[in-house]
Parts: sequence; structure tokens; C-alpha cells
Amino acid sequence: EADIYQTPRYLVIGTGKKITLECSQTMGHDKMYWYQQDPGMELHLIHYSYGVNSTEKGDLSSESTVSRIRTEHFPLTLESARPSHTSQYLCASSQPLALTGHEKLFFGSGTQLSVL
Amino acid sequence: AQTVTQSQPEMSVQEAETVTLSCTYDTSESDYYLFWYKQPPSRQMILVIRQEAYKQQNATENRFSVNFQKAAKSFSLKISDSQLGDAAMYFCAYRSATGANSKLTFGKGITLSVRP
Repeated sequence: EADIYQTPRYLVIGTGKKITLECSQTMGHDKMYWYQQDPGMELHLIHYSYGVNSTEKGDLSSESTVSRIRTEHFPLTLESARPSHTSQYLCASSQPLALTGHEKLFFGSGTQLSVL
Repeated sequence: AQTVTQSQPEMSVQEAETVTLSCTYDTSESDYYLFWYKQPPSRQMILVIRQEAYKQQNATENRFSVNFQKAAKSFSLKISDSQLGDAAMYFCAYRSATGANSKLTFGKGITLSVRP
């Protein structure tokens, strides 16, 4: 079934650890995004990609990095996690509709990261 | 840069009643899209309704409708016959229709509670 998947759903780790949050979509979408969201707060775009080998930083400064080697895969990596990285991370993908140019955004279930 | 403002942090509605969530935005562009997203406690974002700026007719999806006032740059969401399952965080979002690489900009969100 075409969808967008994020793993893990929850992650609790210690300070200084390197972590990778996985995001995969089976819809063949070119555009993918990473949003960061603190509880009850707004969504902040931290990274986006328009296709393979294309990555850009978003509106919110982030110490994380991303890669886009394959269309379906857009992992986010923190080289050394800190308590300030504790947050919800949402991955999304989108594809323009041919006739209207409008695009629909599909979100994953999110990863809740807690850094102790 | 475009901005999206949701000034009400939370609202409450009685089950079966109607509630309106406010959203204003700022842009110098004439062609764009507006969205309302719902984020239930499961944290996965769901597209509720979308509006193309070039369309004067307000979008409607079952119990959800919008009041789009382009001149005033206002885009409110009306939920009729509120149900317990409508309780969630709601985000207003904007995306430019020009350029293939425009990003989705979200407001801060509003928490809606539904009283039984």
C-alpha cells in the first residue's frame, strides 16, 4: 500500500549518541520534508528535498543533516544528540498534481525523540 | 516571506455545535494555496480542506468549510455539527503556486477540544 513510513515511532537515547531517523515513502514522490514540532507548538521546517541528491535547509536552524540518495528514502541524522534535540519529528512527501499544479502533502506518523 | 498567523491558541466547542477557527496570512503573491491540517493525538497530520486562491468559491468538505477572504487575507475554518473525534490540533498552512519548489508554511496551530 502506498504510504509514508517513519521509524522508530519513539526513541529515548543518551546525550552524545549518533542517531538516524528513518523516513520512506512508496508513492514515488519527488519532494520530501522534515518538520520539527515541540508539544502543542507550531511546525518548523528543518530540511527539504526536491529529488535525488537535492537537499536544502529549512526555516529553522537545525544541527541535523539529511541525505537523499534514493527517491523513496530521506533519513535525518543527528551526529551527537543533546537534550535540546528532544522533540517530535515529522516527515512528509508531496507530488504536484498535473492539471492544477496543486500538491498534496502526506505526513508520516512522526518520531518522538527524547534525549536524556 | 510569507507568514501564517493563528492567534487563538485554543478553543472549545460543545458536541453538535459549530465552531470557527481563525487564520490570517501575509503574502505579496496573487496565486497560492491555503490548507487546514488536523493533527489528532496520534500526531499524524491529516489534510482537512484546501483552497485555491484563484477560486472565489469557498471550499467545502462534508462538515468542514472555509471562509476565504482574499482581500482581507483571511482563511477561517468552520466545523459544523462538531464531533468528539474532531478534537485535535488544527494548523493553517500556505503554499505559493508559483515555482515548482515552494514550501509549505504553517501557522502555530490551535488546539480544539470538544465537550460531550
